[in-house]
Amino acid sequence: AQSVAQPEDQVNVAEGNPLTVKCTYSVSGNPYLFWYVQYPNRGLQFLLKYITGDNLVKGSYGFEAEFNKSQTSFHLKKPSALVSDSALYFCAVRDGNYGQNFVFGPGTRLSVLP
Amino acid sequence: DSGVTQTPKHLITATGQRVTLRCSPRSGDLSVYWYQQSLDQGLQFLIQYYNGEERAKGNILERFSAQQFPDLHSELNLSSLELGDSALYFCASSPQGTGVDEQYFGPGTRLTVT
Repeated sequence: AQSVAQPEDQVNVAEGNPLTVKCTYSVSGNPYLFWYVQYPNRGLQFLLKYITGDNLVKGSYGFEAEFNKSQTSFHLKKPSALVSDSALYFCAVRDGNYGQNFVFGPGTRLSVLP
Repeated sequence: DSGVTQTPKHLITATGQRVTLRCSPRSGDLSVYWYQQSLDQGLQFLIQYYNGEERAKGNILERFSAQQFPDLHSELNLSSLELGDSALYFCASSPQGTGVDEQYFGPGTRLTVT
């Protein structure tokens, strides 16, 4: 069965500094990896995904993520954080076998301090 | 706005009752997903439908059932409600429902069981 870990409940970063939100996964097949963001009282919004190809994936709002197969990680990054990036971030994985469930991590709360 | 609509926005009901949550996917999307988000369980995948057929099943209780209708809207039925069923229920949709699709989430229905 697949699983996702987000080892940090909370990440604090100063505005303008780079940010990293960590994600590690476990699947039996090939991983399909996703990052979503949730703002207060809103549904989740898609940021980016890795299916195959280049390990560095670029997404919405200046975010990017790097797929590392040997470390089974898919960390979310942004070179310069904005206060408006403060939100709850979810990593999700789906096993490459068709029909398998999506599994979401527990979420990491990002606070960008002005 | 993701284009996914959910009704009602809020629902308050008593233990033992039955409720129906409704979801309309984005125009053109064939697949619908249901999720439960609670503070202690995080975001849990419940079930996925594609073009009217069940495609994947997650941690959905036997008291819960869902269906997708010919016009592609979906309903999640929750019966014999317990206090622990209080949560935010999200619907999401995607174009084809394959593992590579990103999902577009609705604003959610907040269910309170008293």
